[in-house]
Amino acid sequence: AQTVTQSQPEMSVQEAETVTLSCTYDTSESDYYLFWYKQPPSRQMILVIRQEAYKQQNATENRFSVNFQKAAKSFSLKISDSQLGDAAMYFCASRTFTGGFKTIFGAGTRLFVKA
Amino acid sequence: GAGVSQSPRYKVAKRGQDVALRCDPISGHVSLFWYQQALGQGPEFLTYFQNEAQLDKSGLPSDRFFAERPEGSVSTLKIQRTQQEDSAVYLCASSPGGDRAYQPQHFGDGTRLSIL
Repeated sequence: AQTVTQSQPEMSVQEAETVTLSCTYDTSESDYYLFWYKQPPSRQMILVIRQEAYKQQNATENRFSVNFQKAAKSFSLKISDSQLGDAAMYFCASRTFTGGFKTIFGAGTRLFVKA
Repeated sequence: GAGVSQSPRYKVAKRGQDVALRCDPISGHVSLFWYQQALGQGPEFLTYFQNEAQLDKSGLPSDRFFAERPEGSVSTLKIQRTQQEDSAVYLCASSPGGDRAYQPQHFGDGTRLSIL
């Protein structure tokens, strides 16, 4: 069974600073995908970044990057130059090729950005 | 439309009533997912459609929950004899292909269901 664990219920960062959100996962699959989604108060889940498990290179999208440690089953999100608009719930998620392609989400980390 | 549309945005029902939640996926998207998100939690998978076929309904919590997508586009999630524990945000998501695990899902704004 897949599981995704986010151990930080809340995080806080000063505007323009860098913050890292933690995520660990467990799966018996060898091929899978990992995602970070952002959910602002409007409730719409927005994809931030995704990582293919077979790729060793960490994914990067502008100010967002991941630290993917496959052996440790760790998938952290780093937000650089934090902006007020980054304040939201962040969910780590995994998805495999089997099991109907269901996406398993963590419990989320609420990020506060201080001006 | 440009995005996934869900209606109603808010729904209040008395315990025991039946409710129907609607999802309009992005036009042409083959895959459609329903999730249940309890307050302060991450979304939990309910069911998955590929076109009109319901390929996975393992996440539906009880036989009071029923989903359909008869023409492979609009989907309806129905909850019969609602109970207070059904109170949650119900999210719908769609993605372009079928067997493409790497494709990110496009989410709607969700329906917040409150059972009194």
